[in-house]
Amino acid sequence: GAGVSQSPSNKVTEKGKDVELRCDPISGHTALYWYRQSLGQGLEFLIYFQGNSAPDKSGLPSDRFSAERTGGSVSTLTIQRTQQEDSAVYLCASRPLQGSSYNEQFFGPGTRLTVL
Amino acid sequence: AQSVTQPDIHITVSEGASLELRCNYSYGATPYLFWYVQSPGQGLQLLLKYFSGDTLVQGIKGFEAEFKRSQSSFNLRKPSVHWSDAAEYFCAVGAIGTYKYIFGTGTRLKVLA
Repeated sequence: GAGVSQSPSNKVTEKGKDVELRCDPISGHTALYWYRQSLGQGLEFLIYFQGNSAPDKSGLPSDRFSAERTGGSVSTLTIQRTQQEDSAVYLCASRPLQGSSYNEQFFGPGTRLTVL
Repeated sequence: AQSVTQPDIHITVSEGASLELRCNYSYGATPYLFWYVQSPGQGLQLLLKYFSGDTLVQGIKGFEAEFKRSQSSFNLRKPSVHWSDAAEYFCAVGAIGTYKYIFGTGTRLKVLA
């Protein structure tokens, strides 16, 4: 079946503009993560969604960042008033909560964001 | 504090040589351990995982890793590296009942022909 998809694959924007990044998880995966990967850094946890539970937003770096997940499927990460330090690769991952892969995160290819 | 350390930022090996990538963790609970590989422009792909049982786990693409509790390590090995193994490798740790995984900063592997 289809894996996790993300769009756009690349986004170049000007400082101060808002951007929306989209993630389509694997069908049936109830858990969804967003991570930020900066050059030379590991994966920085941003936000976690699980089913209808309140999301864990503890990793969002500022109130300019927000995310939503509609209908338990597609998720959108929004960055308002982008800053140059927001430049990074944003990765989405989904995870099944049962079955043999229940502890495995399946990653999308990422969105490379460049803020000029 | 919970952490994952990958001491080697870059490693270069010749094709056909053996490989070992180091991963050390600090975690309060019994850990779940993972190795992921990221090729340029791609997301992360799971190579192997350890939850319990046999401390030597086999993964895809000929990789294996050994969990050593006494050393808090989970090193990744491959007996003979192929040029296509050039990528970035990430170690990660989680635990039962938690959903947050901690990722290391990665080791970038270069393979010489």
